[in-house]
Amino acid sequence: AQKVTQAQTEISVVEKEDVTLDCVYETRDTTYYLFWYKQPPSGELVFLIRRNSFDEQNEISGRYSWNFQKSTSSFNFTITASQVVDSAVYFCALNNAGGTSYGKLTFGQGTILTVHP
Amino acid sequence: DADVTQTPRNRITKTGKRIMLECSQTKGHDRMYWYRQDPGLGLRLIYYSFDVKDINKGEISDGYSVSRQAQAKFSLSLESAIPNQTALYFCATSDGGNGVEYFGPGTRLTVT
Repeated sequence: AQKVTQAQTEISVVEKEDVTLDCVYETRDTTYYLFWYKQPPSGELVFLIRRNSFDEQNEISGRYSWNFQKSTSSFNFTITASQVVDSAVYFCALNNAGGTSYGKLTFGQGTILTVHP
Repeated sequence: DADVTQTPRNRITKTGKRIMLECSQTKGHDRMYWYRQDPGLGLRLIYYSFDVKDINKGEISDGYSVSRQAQAKFSLSLESAIPNQTALYFCATSDGGNGVEYFGPGTRLTVT
């Protein structure tokens, strides 16, 4: 079975602080995909990034960066110089490429990020 | 227009009533999914369909049923609603097993 754990239920920071959201996953498959989604207060789910299990390169997109480490089964998300608009619930998710979980996302519990002005 | 639409967006219903949530997509994807979101539990998969003739139970299918009327339409039914089905429901679509899932805006359902 696959599992995604986001141990941080809530994080509160002040604007311009850097913040890292942790994600740890469990899977028996060697081929899988990892995702981050953002859910702003308006409620919709917005796709942020997909990373496959063979690509451990870190990725940076503007103020967002992702650190994928297979050795620790982690896929952490860092927001640099946070802004109030970053306030949202962030979900980490896993999609296996084979087995009974093929083609389905397993989500973590989500981390509520609040950025104060 | 949005690629994935859900109707209704909000619904309040009484215990024991039958209710249907509808999802339509214009993305041309074969795969469609229904999730529910509860605080602190993330999103949990209710049912999924990889094509029109394929329906599969997810993690929490009890009390729910689905219908895939066409490639673009996937409906979720609560045959006899109960209060613990109060939640935010999302429909999603995908173009493949390793693809990104695109979500609708959600339906907030309250069962009193």
